[in-house]
Amino acid sequence: AQSVTQLGSHVSVSEGALVLLRCNYSSSVPPYLFWYVQYPNQGLQLLLKYTSAATLVKGINGFEAEFKKSETSFHLTKPSAHMSDAAEYFCAVSDRFMRFGAGTRLTVKP
Amino acid sequence: GAGVSQSPSNKVTEKGKDVELRCDPISGHTALYWYRQRLGQGLEFLIYFQGNSAPDKSGLPSDRFSAERTGESVSTLTIQRTQQEDSAVYLCASSKIAGDGELFFGEGSRLTVL
Repeated sequence: AQSVTQLGSHVSVSEGALVLLRCNYSSSVPPYLFWYVQYPNQGLQLLLKYTSAATLVKGINGFEAEFKKSETSFHLTKPSAHMSDAAEYFCAVSDRFMRFGAGTRLTVKP
Repeated sequence: GAGVSQSPSNKVTEKGKDVELRCDPISGHTALYWYRQRLGQGLEFLIYFQGNSAPDKSGLPSDRFSAERTGESVSTLTIQRTQQEDSAVYLCASSKIAGDGELFFGEGSRLTVL
């Protein structure tokens, strides 16, 4: 079965700094990969998705992710963190149902 | 409806009682999913429906858990004889079809078993 692994359960950055959240996938076929975000006391929402059309995927709020087959990675980045980016981020792979990673909590320091 | 609706938003129950959690998916979405999120943890898959059928029940933790869906719409997750370890947020999501990837989540039902 396909799966994703998120490296780092907690990432802390300063406001204005680069955000890098790591995700590696395991799949025997080209995967459909996703990042979801969960803001405090809110439901999950889709941040971006990769469906093989382009390796660099742009999402909402300035986030983007690059699919790298050679590294089996789909890391999420944002050039400059904002306080409002503080949230839980989940990488996911779509099989018959969505399989989620364990999540990475992003803290943004002023 | 406009989004996925779950009820109740909060439920406190005593150990051993049965609970029912309800999910109203987005109109026209044929796939519906249930996940569990324990405090500080990721999403644990429970079950999904394509139409009214549940092709994969492998995530249900025990036979105390069951779910059904009728009319390709509302789904109910039932937990019988609740235990303290059942305390979690139960999330429902829907998508146009199973496997298309874009899930729309409700805000969850927070279950506390005393």
